[in-house]
Amino acid sequence: AQKITQTQPGMFVQEKEAVTLDCTYDTSDPSYGLFWYKQPSSGEMIFLIYQGSYDQQNATEGRYSLNFQKARKSANLVISASQLGDSAMYFCAMRGSGSQGNLIFGKGTKLSVKP
Amino acid sequence: NAGVTQTPKFQVLKTGQSMTLQCAQDMNHNSMYWYRQDPGMGLRLIYYSASEGTTDKGEVPNGYNVSRLNKREFSLRLESAAPSQTSVYFCASSEALRGRIYGYTFGSGTRLTVV
Repeated sequence: AQKITQTQPGMFVQEKEAVTLDCTYDTSDPSYGLFWYKQPSSGEMIFLIYQGSYDQQNATEGRYSLNFQKARKSANLVISASQLGDSAMYFCAMRGSGSQGNLIFGKGTKLSVKP
Repeated sequence: NAGVTQTPKFQVLKTGQSMTLQCAQDMNHNSMYWYRQDPGMGLRLIYYSASEGTTDKGEVPNGYNVSRLNKREFSLRLESAAPSQTSVYFCASSEALRGRIYGYTFGSGTRLTVV
């Protein structure tokens, strides 16, 4: 069965510092996609970054980068130069196998940025 | 703006009442999904629809029914609401962008309380 594990329920980071949010996944599919979403206190789900299993390079989007270690089945999100507005819940997700194509989510990490 | 529209945004029901959550997307996506989000649980799939006219159960379908009325609309019905269905409900849609890469768009959520 496919599964996403986020082991950090909560994290604190000082403003302007970098932070890494952990994500490990389990799948037997050779082709899969990994996603990170941000959910601020307002509740909407905001797409941050995507990594495909066959991508040769780690994905980057502005201050977000994905540290993809395929052999270890990990897809950690790195946020550089943290800002107060980065305080939110962060979810790692994987596209499910088969035709349904739904996302399978981890339980999330609550990030708090301290001034 | 293009996207996924959910109604209502908030709802309070009494135990045993019924209601339908509405979802519509204007991106011509084939696949649509209903998730529920509970504290500490991430998002869990209730039902999904891979295309117009088809629906399938997800991880937590008990107590819910769905209708894919047309390509745009995917509704979620609670026939007899229970306090355990108190949650935030998200509708989402997806389509393949480039081969294996899928784009997912989420609605803003419906916060449902059953008393």
